[in-house]
Amino acid sequence: EAQVTQNPRYLITVTGKKLTVTCSQNMNHEYMSWYRQDPGLGLRQIYYSMNVEVTDKGDVPEGYKVSRKEKRNFPLILESPSPNQTSLYFCASSFRTESNSPLHFGNGTRLTVT
Amino acid sequence: LAKTTQPISMDSYEGQEVNITCSHNNIATNDYITWYQQFPSQGPRFIIQGYKTKVTNEVASLFIPADRKSSTLSLPRVSLSDTAVYYCLVGDKAAGNKLTFGGGTRVLVKP
Repeated sequence: EAQVTQNPRYLITVTGKKLTVTCSQNMNHEYMSWYRQDPGLGLRQIYYSMNVEVTDKGDVPEGYKVSRKEKRNFPLILESPSPNQTSLYFCASSFRTESNSPLHFGNGTRLTVT
Repeated sequence: LAKTTQPISMDSYEGQEVNITCSHNNIATNDYITWYQQFPSQGPRFIIQGYKTKVTNEVASLFIPADRKSSTLSLPRVSLSDTAVYYCLVGDKAAGNKLTFGGGTRVLVKP
């Protein structure tokens, strides 16, 4: 089944403790992206990747890192999480070379930083 | 960077048509307009996409005027299961552009 898989679904951590949220897709998509969703603010793009070893900042990249060593994986790294990063995070992927290919989203990771 | 604006919420009743307009005044030449639907605790899912004029599929229609500065998603004869948040997305990822979502429109369908 074609899908985007995020792990974990729920995560509670403390300020400053490094964490990684994994994202994997099995559709051979070149494009991958991370979004955070907060009440009243909709979906905001954190980072995106056009292909392996190519990443770029979205609208809210501060406090986050990403890597794209393999085509299928695009982990989101929080080196020193802070409470303002408490949010619902979504990973998405699609074909890059087709502007009109839709995004496929994972089911989300709800992160709480205390 | 195309910024999008949508109404925050709208209510409707079963069987009615729902129209949601998204404003994107700074849309670029190569940008596509895509609409997504999101249910609670799930990721957004694709509904429909267009570049200009009108597009129709089995679940919705998308109307885009000639100047492309806005678009209207039309959901015909909604049911209770259409209660969700609807997002407008404008961008051209093939060009490496950021993809900017609108704030979303919460649609409540009442019996």
